[in-house]
Amino acid sequence: KQEVTQIPAALSVPEGENLVLNCSFTDSAIYNLQWFRQDPGKGLTSLLLIQSSQREQTSGRLNASLDKSSGRSTLYIAASQPGDSATYLCAAPNFGNEKLTFGTGTRLTIIP
Amino acid sequence: GAVVSQHPSWVICKSGTSVKIECRSLDFQATTMFWYRQFPKQSLMLMATSNEGSKATYEQGVEKDKFLINHASLTLSTLTVTSAHPEDSSFYICSARDPNPYEQFFGPGTRLTVL
Repeated sequence: KQEVTQIPAALSVPEGENLVLNCSFTDSAIYNLQWFRQDPGKGLTSLLLIQSSQREQTSGRLNASLDKSSGRSTLYIAASQPGDSATYLCAAPNFGNEKLTFGTGTRLTIIP
Repeated sequence: GAVVSQHPSWVICKSGTSVKIECRSLDFQATTMFWYRQFPKQSLMLMATSNEGSKATYEQGVEKDKFLINHASLTLSTLTVTSAHPEDSSFYICSARDPNPYEQFFGPGTRLTVL
């Protein structure tokens, strides 16, 4: 069964800094990996989807990388802004089905 | 991206009553939808997989008679919490799978409070 771990659990950085969020997964036989953002009391917003054939995916100030062999993905946020404050979740599918396993998330706070 | 809606966004009910939550994919057809619950400061836990026209598949430990799922059309799945109790209070989130490019899109969630 897929297990997903996110480090760190919480992160506070001053506005303007670049930062990296980490995600590791145990079953590397995945066809994609997704990064989400969740604001308090809200649902999930899909940020990036990386297919297994890709190594990187970019959207604006966000860049996600995927290394299947090592079971790792990173989410890079450039020039952080207070509006980036949220919990970031990564999710990987389980082998043989489409169920997603979520990490416990990284709670990001950008200090103005 | 694709849009998934949920209704209601929040509901308060008395213990023993039943509550129905709707999940709709607005701009694509979803043969598969998923229902999750999330407790405060915890991640999402999959409850069940909803397949259009067939019975839902429940995760281990989820009572199928308590959490009734109906996926009657390609754009609508419903979750009914029957005989709700305070411990059922949680944030319920649905997702719908878009087959191209095999991505899940999530609804805004429904906060259920059982008094």
